[in-house]
Amino acid sequence: DIQMTQTTSSLSASLGDRVTISCSASQGISNYLNWYQQKPDGTVKLLIYYTSSLHSGVPSRFSGSGSGTDYSLTISNLEPEDIATYYCQQYSKLPWTFGGGTKLEIK
Amino acid sequence: QVQLQQSGPELVKPGALVKISCKASGYTFTSYDINWVKQRPGQGLEWIGWIYPGDGSTKYNEKFKGKATLTADKSSSTAYMQLSSLTSENSAVYFCARKLEDDYFDYWGQGTTLTVSS
Repeated sequence: DIQMTQTTSSLSASLGDRVTISCSASQGISNYLNWYQQKPDGTVKLLIYYTSSLHSGVPSRFSGSGSGTDYSLTISNLEPEDIATYYCQQYSKLPWTFGGGTKLEIK
Repeated sequence: QVQLQQSGPELVKPGALVKISCKASGYTFTSYDINWVKQRPGQGLEWIGWIYPGDGSTKYNEKFKGKATLTADKSSSTAYMQLSSLTSENSAVYFCARKLEDDYFDYWGQGTTLTVSS
């Protein structure tokens, strides 16, 4: 199985900050990488698919980038509603696997 | 609007089985895969498998073969996941999610909490 690693399990930032969350795959995944947001109430939403494509309705302050084994999610101008845990997920090879998550908190 | 409404929390005894439901609305149920994802307390997400309601075909994560059984009822637009021979390791929140052809989960259910305890 492809292992997805989010080395930062929690991150604290101030409102208005630019935040970058990283995700690394155990082998190349050819940009087949999605990002999801899980709110404190458990609700899960798709943010980014295929590394950098913004899902419909997602604010433009979210963006994704990367290639090969290393990927990142960037939130520019952090807002209070961005408090959540963020997960990356690869779909290059079955079984699809998720990173362990990065919990974002406000300073 | 697309909605996936899951059944309520379950408390079951070790060794029992449970069936969780996921009722879809707002789209053509038979046109998209429904996937299931497990989340243990304080841990990440694990993909269990998918079912394509159009023809009932399934694909499982090897880890969950023999544990999870996915079915779908086209008449009620509802997907089901049955979990058998339950142990404490199966205590988790289980999500259903719609998958588009490009292999991303665009809509998720609210999650069903399963507690396995005597």
